[in-house]
Parts: sequence; C-alpha cells; structure tokens
Amino acid sequence: AQSVTQLGSHVSVSEGALVLLRCNYSSSVPPYLFWYVQYPNQGLQLLLKYTSAATLVKGINGFEAEFKKSETSFHLTKPSAHMSDAAEYFCAVSDQGGKLIFGQGTELSVKP
Amino acid sequence: DVKVTQSSRYLVKRTGEKVFLECVQDMDHENMFWYRQDPGLGLRLIYFSYDVKMKEKGDIPEGYSVSREKKERFSLILESASTNQTSMYLCASSLWTSSMDTQYFGPGTRLTVL
Repeated sequence: AQSVTQLGSHVSVSEGALVLLRCNYSSSVPPYLFWYVQYPNQGLQLLLKYTSAATLVKGINGFEAEFKKSETSFHLTKPSAHMSDAAEYFCAVSDQGGKLIFGQGTELSVKP
Repeated sequence: DVKVTQSSRYLVKRTGEKVFLECVQDMDHENMFWYRQDPGLGLRLIYFSYDVKMKEKGDIPEGYSVSREKKERFSLILESASTNQTSMYLCASSLWTSSMDTQYFGPGTRLTVL
C-alpha cells in the first residue's frame, strides 16, 4: 500500500534562506507525487507534481522538487524563502483511481 | 480556472443534529472527494464518487454518508453529529480517474460540534 512520510511537522527558516521540506514515499508501483500548499484559512493549492516526465519538477512560486527513486524521496525546495511562503505544505502520492494519500503536513514559518 | 465551492466556511452544530455539507464544482469533473483534515494527521479520505449516483468508501467513512444526484454537486452528510467529528472538511474534484490527475480543492468548512 502507498504511504507518505513528511519529516518535521514544523520547519522555521529566515527570510532569504533555503527552504527544504522532506517527503519520503512508499509505493508498490511507479508513483505519481504531488506537493500542495495550504495558506491560512484556505483550501489546498497544487504546487507541483511528478508524473515521470522529468525527475526535477518546477512548480509555482519558485518551488521545485526532485524525484529520487533510489531514496524514495520527493523533497521540496526553494532557494530563498519569502514571508509569503509561510503556510502548511502537504506531500501526496497517488493511489488507484485517482485517489491521493497525504502526508501529515509540514508547517513552514518564515522569520523576518 | 476550476472553481470548487463549499456551502459554509464555518458551521456550529449540536451533538445529534443531522449536518449537510455541500460542495459544487464548475468544471464538469467526473470525480469528487470529501476529506477531513486534523492537525498532525494530514488529510484523510472519507468518501469519493466517480460518477453521478456512485460512491465509494474512503479510509474513514464511519459516521458519514454522501449523495451525488448531479455531476457538479457532492454532499457530505453527518447523520448524527458527534463531538469527535469536529474538524475541517475539504471537498475536491478531478477530471478523470487517472492517477496523475490534479485534485482541485474548495476552501474548506470548519465544523464545530458542541
């Protein structure tokens, strides 16, 4: 069965610093992987997704993620954090029939 | 742009009440989903629907039912609300059942059961 583990429920960075949010997955088939962002009091918005076309995936707002099969990882990065990046981030792996299995979420705080 | 709307942003109900949460999507999507979101647990799938009048149980269906009479509308029903159903409820839709399909989410309904 597919599963997702996000390491770190809270991550805090300074403005301008590198953002690294970790995601490891378990899947019995080649996975499709997603990162979603949730701003306060809003629904989830797709940041990026991996569908096997390229291992480095670029998303919105300067985020990107690299699929590493050998490490079963799909970590999310952004070179320079902005105050507006403060939000909760969810990694997800697709299951049969278009269902998603979500990780526990990581709350990102950005300090001025 | 895909738009998924939910009938209420905040809802307060009493234990034992029947509660209806409504979700509407405007992009002719085939699939619709209901999740609940709790701190530290991420999103958990309650029910989903691949077509009108079709429904499938997700991971935590107990205490919930759903209705999909029209393609654009998917309702979540709490037959007899309990305090442990206090949560954020998120609706989502996607075009097909392909595993690479993006799910589009509504803004959520924060339900408090007293």
